[in-house]
Amino acid sequence: DTGVSQNPRHKITKRGQNVTFRCDPISEHNRLYWYRQTLGQGPEFLTYFQNEAQLEKSRLLSDRFSAERPKGSFSTLEIQRTEQGDSAMYLCASSLGSGQNQPQHFGDGTRLSIL
Amino acid sequence: DQQVKQNSPSLSVQEGRISILNCDYTNSMFDYFLWYKKYPAEGPTFLISISSIKDKNEDGRFTVFLNKSAKHLSLHIVPSQPGDSAVYFCAASWTNAGKSTFGDGTTLTVKP
Repeated sequence: DTGVSQNPRHKITKRGQNVTFRCDPISEHNRLYWYRQTLGQGPEFLTYFQNEAQLEKSRLLSDRFSAERPKGSFSTLEIQRTEQGDSAMYLCASSLGSGQNQPQHFGDGTRLSIL
Repeated sequence: DQQVKQNSPSLSVQEGRISILNCDYTNSMFDYFLWYKKYPAEGPTFLISISSIKDKNEDGRFTVFLNKSAKHLSLHIVPSQPGDSAVYFCAASWTNAGKSTFGDGTTLTVKP
C-alpha cells in the first residue's frame, strides 16, 4: 500500500535560509493539499492543487511561501528567507476530487526547525 | 475565528468503556465532517466521516453522530481499547471546497 510520502522527515536550518519540501501523493489522487501544524493545534490549510492547477491559497501563505505541482504528480513547497515562526510540522495530503466528498490521506509530515 | 472547536483537550477512559469525543462548528456551509486519529510522529489517519444528509454513521466500534441544528458532532468508540489512545481531530468541509478545517484535537487515553 503506497501512501503519501513526504521528504525530508526533518529539516533543521538557520534563519534566513531557503528550504524545499517534497510530497508524493497517492498515485491515483488528483488533489493535493499542504497544511501546517504547530504544537497543540490542528492542521491549518495552506494551499491545494487539483492536478497541476493551484486552486486556493490561504492568507497564511505569505509571499515567502510558494508551492508547485508540475505535471500534476508530486508537489514541492518552498519557504524563502525562513523565520523563527516558520518552525512547524508541514503536512501533505491527497484525495480523489470527483465531485463527491472524499477524505484526505496524509503523509507523516516534514518537521521544520529554524535555529 | 475558529470555525471548528474541540473543547476538551483530553479525555481518559477505562478499557472496555465508551469514549465520547465532541466537536462544535460555526460555519453553516459545512456539509461534510470527518474524524482523524493521530499517533505521535505520524500524520493524521482518516477514521470515519459523515455527510450532512445523515445524522449517524457507523463503522465497527466507531460511530459518528451529527446534530445539524446544534452544529455539533460526536465520535463514540465502543468498546475502547488501549490502542485507541491517540489524538483525535474533528474536521469539516463543504462540497467541492477542497480544504478541510480542523479542530485542535482531543487526546484520548484508554487505560488498561
